[in-house]
Amino acid sequence: QVQLVQSGAEVKKPGASVKVSCKASGYTFTNYAIHWMRQAPGHRLEWLGWINVGNGNTKYSQKFQGRVTITRDTSASTAYMQLRSLTSEDTAVYYCARTFGPGGFDPWGQGTLVTVSS
Amino acid sequence: QSALTQPASVSGSPGQSITMSCTGTSSDVGGYDSVSWYQQHPGKAPKLMIYDVSDRPSGVSNRFSGSKSGNTASLTISGLQAGDEADYFCSSYTSSSTLYVFGTGTKVTVL
Repeated sequence: QVQLVQSGAEVKKPGASVKVSCKASGYTFTNYAIHWMRQAPGHRLEWLGWINVGNGNTKYSQKFQGRVTITRDTSASTAYMQLRSLTSEDTAVYYCARTFGPGGFDPWGQGTLVTVSS
Repeated sequence: QSALTQPASVSGSPGQSITMSCTGTSSDVGGYDSVSWYQQHPGKAPKLMIYDVSDRPSGVSNRFSGSKSGNTASLTISGLQAGDEADYFCSSYTSSSTLYVFGTGTKVTVL
């Protein structure tokens, strides 16, 4: 079945960077875009950006532009999201999800908790 | 960053129908047919229930239906079941710099 499996929880200090992976299986990896979202405790979801896995093109939310980088390794069927200059406000569960139609996301990875604390 | 507005909670008895709203603007919900709805149980990843305003992915019960009027989208759950108790949130493509915006979420309680 189509599945996205993310890397494990991370604890980072303010100012550090984090890189979360998202390994795809059950479909042709290069045929679908991958999106990254995050959900901070008690807050709504935020969209960070997406990558066209086929050609590597990316698009980021202006809020995170300059601080986030999304990449992919087609040989490993894995997408990555790196977020730099972390602050406590970046503490959240980060999700990857595959494109489903023009505006849908499915399936989602299981989520990766990133905790930023000194 | 703007958000789509949803009621904080909606409740109903088993077998009843409930409807929840998702209100945006002409820059998102009203301007594009790319509204989607997700179900999220505590501690779990979101699950796509409706996409493109009213389409259901394969495997999603036909008790779930979506619609849109102007800047407001709606999700209706008919024949409410205990397993439907979860958080539901909407999403839309937006012409703003964020590209995709999510709703504030609605907690559905089955009485």
